[in-house]
Parts: sequence; C-alpha cells; structure tokens
Amino acid sequence: GESVGLHLPTLSVQEGDNSIINCAYSNSASDYFIWYKQESGKGPQFIIDIRSNMDKRQGQRVTVLLNKTVKHLSLQIAATQPGDSAVYFCAEMEYGNKLVFGAGTILRVKS
Amino acid sequence: DTEVTQTPKHLVMGMTNKKSLKCEQHMGHRAMYWYKQKAKKPPELMFVYSYEKLSINESVPSRFSPECPNSSLLNLHLHALQPEDSALYLCASLGPQGSYGYTFGSGTRLTVV
Repeated sequence: GESVGLHLPTLSVQEGDNSIINCAYSNSASDYFIWYKQESGKGPQFIIDIRSNMDKRQGQRVTVLLNKTVKHLSLQIAATQPGDSAVYFCAEMEYGNKLVFGAGTILRVKS
Repeated sequence: DTEVTQTPKHLVMGMTNKKSLKCEQHMGHRAMYWYKQKAKKPPELMFVYSYEKLSINESVPSRFSPECPNSSLLNLHLHALQPEDSALYLCASLGPQGSYGYTFGSGTRLTVV
C-alpha cells in the first residue's frame, strides 16, 4: 500500500504548552484516519479518529485536523502534560480494514 | 471487558524451538490482527482474520503460522525463527461497522536466541 509518513521524528515541548504533531499521507483513496499513542512497553492506544468527510474533530484535550487538499493530518494536544510523553502514530485504513501506520513522532514533555 | 489480552508478555526461544503466542478478546469483534513491531518503528501488519477466516497475509514467512480457533481467540505459532524475528508482536481487534478504532493488546516481547 501507499505510505503514511510524519514530518518530525521528535518533538520537545514545555509542560503546559500546546503540541502539534503532523502527518502526511499519500493514499488519496483513504477515508479514515486514526491517531495512536504508544508508551514504552505497551501496545498502541487509540486517541482519536476522523473520517474523510470531516476536517476537524475534537476530543478531551486533543483535536485532529484533516486537510484532504494537501493530504495532511495533524494532532493537537492542549496543555501538554508529562503523561503525554510517548510515541504518536498516525494511521490510515486501507481497503479490507487494513491499518497502515506512519513512521511515528516521539513527544517529550519538559517539566 | 474492553481489552485484548496477550500471553505471554515475554518469550525467549531458540531457533529450533516451537512456541505459540496467544491473543484473546471478548468484545465480540469479528476482525483480529497480528502486527510485528521492531524497536523505534511503526507496527507492521502480518495477518488479518475476518470472521475466523484468514483474509490478509502480508507475505509473511511460513515459520509464522496463524490460527483462529474461534471468534475470541487468535494464535500465532512460531517455528524455526531467526534472531531478526525478535520484536514486539501485537494483536489487535476491530469493532463492528460504525464503531471503528482498533483495540491493541500490550504485546509479546519475543527474543530469538
């Protein structure tokens, strides 16, 4: 399948600041996207998802933005906390419920 | 129960051994998956089972053999593995239509010696 990639491998933010993690995807036929958080020694944890008929979706402290024109996805985390430190993956669902992951971004929160 | 349970959590095996990884979910999900994740890399899809039938095999070597005995259980049988097969093996299940979002287990950390 086509690849899903991330612009920044590592992001360091100060506690309390907002974080923005970006993702570029190349399969224009994808219509469903998911953000996952993975902490050390654990499996990926679902954060938020968005369908291609939407351009924004909000959760608790998190917002996902989808720009289909430039095939770009972003995850915004408000008031970043030390517990947000993890690796964040975007993923797109391809035909047959096949979930393809992007490269990942490490988020480090400085206290 | 909203979890995917994987056992064992850690496994060390020799290249001539035969072992199995187990995955269990009781959420009524009808699609189950095996992923392989190397350090500092994203999970890579290996197998997909849909309604207990193998629907996707991502050209995985035959030394990995999946099995889905029932809708709640997924196994991965391992035989004659290589050291480069050492990785975190993740199981996931997918909810029904209209309720997307995979649920992942915590994985089995496999080391082949």
